Amino acid sequence: DAGVIQSPRHEVTEMGQEVTLRCKPISGHNSLFWYRQTMMRGLELLIYFNNNVPIDDSGMPEDRFSAKMPNASFSTLKIQPSEPRDSAVYFCASRITDPLGYTFGSGTRLTVV
Amino acid sequence: GEDVEQSLFLSVREGDSSVINCTYTDSSSTYLYWYKQEPGAGLQLLTYIFSNMDMKQDQRLTVLLNKKDKHLSLRIADTQTGDSAIYFCAESIRSGYALNFGKGTSLLVTP
Repeated sequence: DAGVIQSPRHEVTEMGQEVTLRCKPISGHNSLFWYRQTMMRGLELLIYFNNNVPIDDSGMPEDRFSAKMPNASFSTLKIQPSEPRDSAVYFCASRITDPLGYTFGSGTRLTVV
Repeated sequence: GEDVEQSLFLSVREGDSSVINCTYTDSSSTYLYWYKQEPGAGLQLLTYIFSNMDMKQDQRLTVLLNKKDKHLSLRIADTQTGDSAIYFCAESIRSGYALNFGKGTSLLVTP
């Protein structure tokens, strides 16, 4: 199993540009989570999906952020327009119903200049 | 949301024991977790404890849980340089779907 796959690994973009982060969860996992990691705030839960349906997006910082999960094998997190304060490492994680089956991807390091 | 609290840094000598402490927030958490993050990588599950247990031992790792004080600790025996990483405490929240993480404890093991 290839694990949770995120792309790109690194993204550098200019302020105001649209950024799309991608995630392929582990096959068979029915929940998907997006987290953001910064030095100041640690790991923050942005949004999670269960069976492709968004369950809780209360962690999404503002309307510039949106996430979709069109099918069980793909999710995107979009920032439009991006700002320097969005610079962080964004992690995707997936799990099956068993709470121990929680697997993280390697993350996307986003730098907005 | 409320914060899971951890000390930010810990430095130990190789061969000594390390103890990383955590205070969590949700008394209804079913599981409590310790994750390890190495540089440039995602988080990996290190160990976990079910909320009806007080202690769990797994090779060099010992987890202690004090539910009354909402305190969780991770002890690493015979700490090695390869144990240098960031360790995150996490509690299950929102009906067990999501995990709420502490800010992580950076463990530095010196020779």
